[in-house]
Amino acid sequence: RKEVEQDPGPFNVPEGATVAFNCTYSNSASQSFFWYRQDCRKEPKLLMSVYSSGNEDGRFTAQLNRASQYISLLIRDSKLSDSATYLCVVTSGGSYIPTFGRGTSLIVHP
Amino acid sequence: GAGVSQSPSNKVTEKGKDVELRCDPISGHTALYWYRQSLGQGLEFLIYFQGNSAPDKSGLPSDRFSAERTGGSVSTLTIQRTQQEDSAVYLCASSLPSLGEQYFGPGTRLTVT
Repeated sequence: RKEVEQDPGPFNVPEGATVAFNCTYSNSASQSFFWYRQDCRKEPKLLMSVYSSGNEDGRFTAQLNRASQYISLLIRDSKLSDSATYLCVVTSGGSYIPTFGRGTSLIVHP
Repeated sequence: GAGVSQSPSNKVTEKGKDVELRCDPISGHTALYWYRQSLGQGLEFLIYFQGNSAPDKSGLPSDRFSAERTGGSVSTLTIQRTQQEDSAVYLCASSLPSLGEQYFGPGTRLTVT
């Protein structure tokens, strides 16, 4: 089993839709969780950290489910500019080496 | 403030030549990471620096790859005797270890002909 798994997609949604991605991780000792977005031929950029209590940033909501070992990202009112690949990143306790998922591709169409 | 910078942005080299890639992290970030990403693929971890030391070199694909960091700042990744399979985008990221959030440079696109 891969350490961090994501559905590669693509998720193809119309503008204004709500879309959610999940990311599962295998190491129960994982402590830090992040979502990054990567545009085509660009570097990954931090979207948001994921806190145990869940957190929201505008149209984006991230949640952590430790019992089932997954994190989620919810995007409301999708914009064309949200089209990108969303990377899930997990860091295990005692390690500063993050593990990146392969990413989920989102395409928002008019 | 200034982000992570990398140079060159593009490098085309002939098979068998050595190349050196440079990364300037965000000032004050003690942790520095090198990754590479082939077209359409995920990020492949190469090496991690904490200060000037590299506690984890496990991701370096072969002994042709080496990296160093001086003054707790600039890092260089050297690839000797380049091969075509080394063609990829090489990304550098820096962070404050206590936070774990990484900030990436724009990458160096390496093409080995």
